[in-house]
Amino acid sequence: AQSVTQLDSHVSVSEGTPVLLRCNYSSSYSPSLFWYVQHPNKGLQLLLKYTSAATLVKGINGFEAEFKKSETSFHLTKPSAHMSDAAEYFCVVSATYNTDKLIFGTGTRLQVFP
Amino acid sequence: EPEVTQTPSHQVTQMGQEVILRCVPISNHLYFYWYRQILGQKVEFLVSFYNNEISEKSEIFDDQFSVERPDGSNFTLKIRSTKLEDSAMYFCASGLGSVDQPQHFGDGTRLSIL
Repeated sequence: AQSVTQLDSHVSVSEGTPVLLRCNYSSSYSPSLFWYVQHPNKGLQLLLKYTSAATLVKGINGFEAEFKKSETSFHLTKPSAHMSDAAEYFCVVSATYNTDKLIFGTGTRLQVFP
Repeated sequence: EPEVTQTPSHQVTQMGQEVILRCVPISNHLYFYWYRQILGQKVEFLVSFYNNEISEKSEIFDDQFSVERPDGSNFTLKIRSTKLEDSAMYFCASGLGSVDQPQHFGDGTRLSIL
């Protein structure tokens, strides 16, 4: 069965410093992986997706993620944090066999300090 | 950019009452989903809907839940007799049904059962 594990429930960074949000996945099949962001009182917005093409995926707002099959990881990074990046981030896996339901990680709350 | 819209944004209901949550998916999408997020917990899949029938449902989606596409634009989730534990944020999503295509989410309806 597919699952994702987000290794940090909270991450705090200073504005202008790099961001790293960690995600490990488990999948019996070649997975599709996504990162979604949820700002306070807002819905879930897609940041980026991996679907078996390039392993380094670029998303919106300067975020990117690298799919590493050997490490079963899909960590989200950004070179320089901005105050507006403060939000909840979800790593998500979609099964590729007979279902398109999304399986969410528990989320990582990113705080950005001035 | 087209978006998924949900109404109401917040619904307060007495326990035992019926509630209907409404969603307008993106117009060219054919697959529709409901997810929920209980406060402090992860986002969970409830049901997927295609071609006017349920294509998959989770164990959470028991007989008190139903979904309907009453016309060409709306997609609804009905909870027949609400319980305290139904209090959650409910997200509607729509998509093209391919596992490598992202689902687009609405801003959610916060359901509070008293």
